[in-house]
Amino acid sequence: EDQVTQSPEALRLQEGESSSLNCSYTVSGLRGLFWYRQDPGKGPEFLFTLYSAGEEKEKERLKATLTKKESFLHITAPKPEDSATYLCAVQARSGGYQKVTFGTGTKLQVIP
Amino acid sequence: DVKVTQSSRYLVKRTGEKVFLECVQDMDHENMFWYRQDPGLGLRLIYFSYDVKMKEKGDIPEGYSVSREKKERFSLILESASTNQTSMYLCASSFPDRWSGYTFGSGTRLTVV
Repeated sequence: EDQVTQSPEALRLQEGESSSLNCSYTVSGLRGLFWYRQDPGKGPEFLFTLYSAGEEKEKERLKATLTKKESFLHITAPKPEDSATYLCAVQARSGGYQKVTFGTGTKLQVIP
Repeated sequence: DVKVTQSSRYLVKRTGEKVFLECVQDMDHENMFWYRQDPGLGLRLIYFSYDVKMKEKGDIPEGYSVSREKKERFSLILESASTNQTSMYLCASSFPDRWSGYTFGSGTRLTVV
C-alpha cells in the first residue's frame, strides 16, 4: 500500500527563520510528487511537481527537492503570509489507474 | 481566472436525507475528483471521472455515488446522509497527464445532524 508521511505535523517559525518540511513516501512505481499549499477554509493550491530523484523546483521563498525516498520543502526567510498547511502527494501507477495519495500535511505558522 | 466552483460553502443536513454536492470547472479538464478531508486522515478519494458519463470508485466510495453528464460538471450524491459523513468535501479537476497538478474548489463543509 502506498504511504506518504509528512513531518513535523506542525512547525512554528519566527519571521526570517529558514527551515524544511519533510515528506517521506513508500510507493510502487513513482510517477510524480506534488506539493500543495492549503489556507484555512480553502482548497489546496498546487505549488510544484517533481518527477525524478535529484530534481529541484523553486518558487519565491520555497524550494522543493526530491530523493528516492523523500522530498523536502525548504522555506527560506519565511514571512507571515507563508503560514498555511503544506500537503505532499505522490502519484503512482496502480493497475491501469494512476493513483494519487496525499499526506496529512504540515501546519506552518510564521510569527512576525 | 480559471477555477473550480463548488455550489455551497456550508451545508447542514439531517440524517437520512439525500444530499447533492455540485462542482463545476471552467478549464476544460477531462479529469474530475471528489475528496473528503478529515483531521488526521488527510484527503481521501471518494470517486473520480476521466470522461463524461464515466466514473470510477476511489478509496472510500461506500455511501456515495456520482454523476457526470457534462464535461464541466461532477456531482457527488450522498444517498442517505449519516453523521459519519460530516466532513469537508473537496472537488478537483485536472488534465489527463496531471503533471500540472489538481485545481481544487474551495470546499463544502457538510454537517449531518
